[in-house]
Amino acid sequence: AQKITQTQPGMFVQEKEAVTLDCTYDTSDPSYGLFWYKQPSSGEMIFLIYQGSYDQQNATEGRYSLNFQKARKSANLVISASQLGDSAMYFCAMREKKAAGNKLTFGGGTRVLVKP
Amino acid sequence: GAGVSQSPRYKVAKRGQDVALRCDPISGHVSLFWYQQALGQGPEFLTYFQNEAQLDKSGLPSDRFFAERPEGSVSTLKIQRTQQEDSAVYLCASSRGEVLNTEAFFGQGTRLTVV
Repeated sequence: AQKITQTQPGMFVQEKEAVTLDCTYDTSDPSYGLFWYKQPSSGEMIFLIYQGSYDQQNATEGRYSLNFQKARKSANLVISASQLGDSAMYFCAMREKKAAGNKLTFGGGTRVLVKP
Repeated sequence: GAGVSQSPRYKVAKRGQDVALRCDPISGHVSLFWYQQALGQGPEFLTYFQNEAQLDKSGLPSDRFFAERPEGSVSTLKIQRTQQEDSAVYLCASSRGEVLNTEAFFGQGTRLTVV
């Protein structure tokens, strides 16, 4: 079974508008962390935001916020006020405490294209 | 260096050739990971080191893949007798430790094309 599912292969968003990227996950480990990474065409993975399974509040980092719904096992990323530089692939990832080294397991990604 | 450095950035190999991919992690980072990213897909875990110890190699696709980190810093991923299905971007990541919220820093990857 897929541990991380991103159902939107690609999305267009108008500059200055908000966009929500979906992510659902599957784990039996009560201790886990959820990450979002951005991968521009240059290839590097850029960390955006983190949410821990025991965190009571949704994480926020600047224009990025995470809509964490634990019972639904979803961790959607919201990008507010989109900019042209936000065009990239976005990956949701999970780290389970029981996994050796806390390795990251990634979803298939969502490609975002911001239109001027 | 300031970040994770990988070399070469691009590698073209003839089928059957052996290749070696290098990763220089951030100084002092205990954990080192290798991932394989096929075109248009998310990274897939290959192997994990804690210092010089390879603690998880469950993601290595075959015995043609071998990784080492002999002194607990630089790591090399070696692929023997390359095949076309090995064509992918190989990403290296390092982190300070194993705490759940520890950020993993990624290199820019090595794009391997097997012809």
